[in-house]
Amino acid sequence: DAGVTQSPTHLIKTRGQHVTLRCSPISGHKSVSWYQQVLGQGPQFIFQYYEKEERGRGNFPDRFSARQFPNYSSELNVNALLLGDSALYLCASSLDQGAYNEQFFGPGTRLTVL
Amino acid sequence: KQEVTQIPAALSVPEGENLVLNCSFTDSAIYNLQWFRQDPGKGLTSLLLIQSSQREQTSGRLNASLDKSSGRSTLYIAASQPGDSATYLCAVTGGSYIPTFGRGTSLIVHP
Repeated sequence: DAGVTQSPTHLIKTRGQHVTLRCSPISGHKSVSWYQQVLGQGPQFIFQYYEKEERGRGNFPDRFSARQFPNYSSELNVNALLLGDSALYLCASSLDQGAYNEQFFGPGTRLTVL
Repeated sequence: KQEVTQIPAALSVPEGENLVLNCSFTDSAIYNLQWFRQDPGKGLTSLLLIQSSQREQTSGRLNASLDKSSGRSTLYIAASQPGDSATYLCAVTGGSYIPTFGRGTSLIVHP
């Protein structure tokens, strides 16, 4: 079975641009979460989606948005990119939104903002 | 607000040593604690998940324990190998259902 997949692998943008990152969860998983990981730090929670609805949101500005599609895949959108948005963006899937579920992560998308 | 601390931040050991990595958290009202491994520039690989009702979990050379009352977890790696070199992260999930991660322990096992 395929694990969590993310695209693209790497991305270079300039300040002010917009970016869309994509994630496909493990087959059968209905919950997707997004994280931002800056070099040398642990992942910071951005969003959780379950059954196409936002179920949790971290402390990120409104420039960050996401959605989940009927096939449970998800997109993370970031508008008006800043240099500080440069990071590894990780997607994780789990069976449902319950707190007891194990999370499985994808390989990440490395975003560089110049 | 939950805070997760991992000690040490970095560790370098010769091959074959038994290791203990530490993870502490400030709010003991948790649902689970999960240990991950991260290779440079890569995603996270789940190693062990300990539910709040459990005391420990084992997988191969790895053993993780959980003491909720003291807010601590340890990851024990037996007979370390160069392939174990990576950053090890712990994440705690509490009432918000949102995992809080530590900064990780960077491990180097040299031959």
